[in-house]
Amino acid sequence: QQQVKQSPQSLIVQKGGISIINCAYENTAFDYFPWYQQFPGKGPALLIAIRPDVSEKKEGRFTISFNKSAKQFSLHIMDSQPGDSATYFCAALQGGSEKLVFGKGTKLTVNP
Amino acid sequence: DAGVIQSPRHEVTEMGQEVTLRCKPISGHDYLFWYRQTMMRGLELLIYFNNNVPIDDSGMPEDRFSAKMPNASFSTLKIQPSEPRDSAVYFCASSLGANTEAFFGQGTRLTVV
Repeated sequence: QQQVKQSPQSLIVQKGGISIINCAYENTAFDYFPWYQQFPGKGPALLIAIRPDVSEKKEGRFTISFNKSAKQFSLHIMDSQPGDSATYFCAALQGGSEKLVFGKGTKLTVNP
Repeated sequence: DAGVIQSPRHEVTEMGQEVTLRCKPISGHDYLFWYRQTMMRGLELLIYFNNNVPIDDSGMPEDRFSAKMPNASFSTLKIQPSEPRDSAVYFCASSLGANTEAFFGQGTRLTVV
């Protein structure tokens, strides 16, 4: 049973374009939704995170949009750059637990 | 701080052998996590510790896997005996807990032949 469903599996974007990655969840007890970025040969690193009391969070070129009623959240990368090429994971955490549940990842390629 | 340190970075072993992966968490972090990453299953939480005590090991695939945290600065994940299907990248991560950022090590790529 996959608790966090992520799409697409892979994404190719031109430099300067917008990259959008979507995630959906079923467990309404989740209350913390981070996004992790992973480069080849490295461990995942926290990129940005949101809690369900807000609908959007922006940090630089990265924005999380959160739709609590639809149980969906997405990552938008504005003005995508070749250096953004990596695998992105959405995740979710239930309050009172430290068990972070990850989506299966999206491999983003930004062409120059 | 140097971050979460894992060793070895790569391990190749023969089926049936014992494998021990090591992790040094960030100093002061109360939580330590072991994850396994494969193409098929993605990132899976195997076990996590709080203040050196195992809290949830429901992700450990079977009795061949065991993890220990003898002190706040060291943890091991052992596979005995190893099997080819154990081939994966194993990550250790640590955090301050309470829904805070988890910092990952660079991982150990295990290949069982």
